[in-house]
Amino acid sequence: DIQMTQSPSTLSASVGDRVTITCRASQNIRSWLAWYQQKPGKAPKLLIYKASSLESGVPSRFSASGSGTEFTLTISGLQPDDFATFYCQQYNDYPYSFGQGTKLEIK
Amino acid sequence: EVNLVESGGGLAQPGRSLRLSCAGSGFTFGDYTMHWVRQSPGKGLEWVSGITWNNYVIDYAKSVKGRFIISRDTAKNSLYLQMDSLRPEDSALYYCAKDRSSGGIRDSFDMWGQGTMVTVAS
Repeated sequence: DIQMTQSPSTLSASVGDRVTITCRASQNIRSWLAWYQQKPGKAPKLLIYKASSLESGVPSRFSASGSGTEFTLTISGLQPDDFATFYCQQYNDYPYSFGQGTKLEIK
Repeated sequence: EVNLVESGGGLAQPGRSLRLSCAGSGFTFGDYTMHWVRQSPGKGLEWVSGITWNNYVIDYAKSVKGRFIISRDTAKNSLYLQMDSLRPEDSALYYCAKDRSSGGIRDSFDMWGQGTMVTVAS
């Protein structure tokens, strides 16, 4: 099975900052990676699919890159609405798997 | 408007069973691969099971294989999860989710329900 590891687990930042979250896969998943944002009490929301494609309606301050085993999600110019928990997910192979999550907190 | 509504959660004793349902609307249900994802309180997301649009591929997380069965009824636009031999570690909010694109085998999840809570305790 493919293991997904995110870093950091927690990230403190201020409004306006640029932040980057990293996700590593235990084996090559090509570009079959998604990023989700989850706020307390809400279902996850798809931000990025196929490693770097922005989902419709997601602000352009969100960007992502990577392929193979190393991926990043970058948020440029943090907004108050962005503070949440972010998960990466591989869908290269079943069983699908998620990273453990990165909680983005207000500094 | 695309919508997914889960139901069937509740309190069950260890070793007992529950059946979750997910009703889809606003899209052609039979064209999409569907999944169950769970989240224990305060914890991360865990993919539980998926079934392709054509029922060709069905798979489970190791933690539930042999105890849970996923199925779908296209005529009723519904997804199901039969959960047997429940354990306390199965306690979680169970979400259903749909693939982003139709007719695919491999895809991200663009729509999630609000979840149904399962608590396994004596």
